[in-house]
Amino acid sequence: AQSVAQPEDQVNVAEGNPLTVKCTYSVSGNPYLFWYVQYPNRGLQFLLKYITGDNLVKGSYGFEAEFNKSQTSFHLKKPSALVSDSALYFCAVRDPLRDYKLSFGAGTTVTVRA
Amino acid sequence: KAGVTQTPRYLIKTRGQQVTLSCSPISGHRSVSWYQQTPGQGLQFLFEYFSETQRNKGNFPGRFSGRQFSNSRSEMNVSTLELGDSALYLCASSLGLAGVQPSTDTQYFGPGTRLTVL
Repeated sequence: AQSVAQPEDQVNVAEGNPLTVKCTYSVSGNPYLFWYVQYPNRGLQFLLKYITGDNLVKGSYGFEAEFNKSQTSFHLKKPSALVSDSALYFCAVRDPLRDYKLSFGAGTTVTVRA
Repeated sequence: KAGVTQTPRYLIKTRGQQVTLSCSPISGHRSVSWYQQTPGQGLQFLFEYFSETQRNKGNFPGRFSGRQFSNSRSEMNVSTLELGDSALYLCASSLGLAGVQPSTDTQYFGPGTRLTVL
């Protein structure tokens, strides 16, 4: 079975500081990994995904994520956080060889203070 | 291009009733997936439709059903509503079927339908 864990329920950072949201996964094959963001009363917005190739993936709104196979992690990063980045972030994983379902982590609430 | 649209945005029903939610995918997208989001269980996969056929299904009771039309629009139905069905129901569309072609299976979500069961 595949699973994804987001070990931090909340992340608080000051505006202008680096932002990191952690994600670890467990799948039987090579994973497809995704990050989504959800603003209040809105659906999920796609940020970026890793399928294969370069371990560093760049996405929307200045976000990037690094795939680390040995640590089974896919942490989301932004060099300089904005107040508008405050939202709920979800990591998701799909094992293309086993289960086509997209499994989501529990989510991490990011608060960026001015 | 217009995004995924869902109607209605808000719905209040009572126990025992049934409800139908609608989803219009991004133009050209052929796959539609449905998810239930609750504070306790998080995001859970309900089912995926592609070319009017259910291709994948999550672990939900038979009260939850869906269908897809020839124009890729999809509806989800929940019969005999229970209090625990109160949730945000999210629809997502993608160009292709999940797991077949990685370049086409990124899912794009609609704003959701907030269902409250009293």
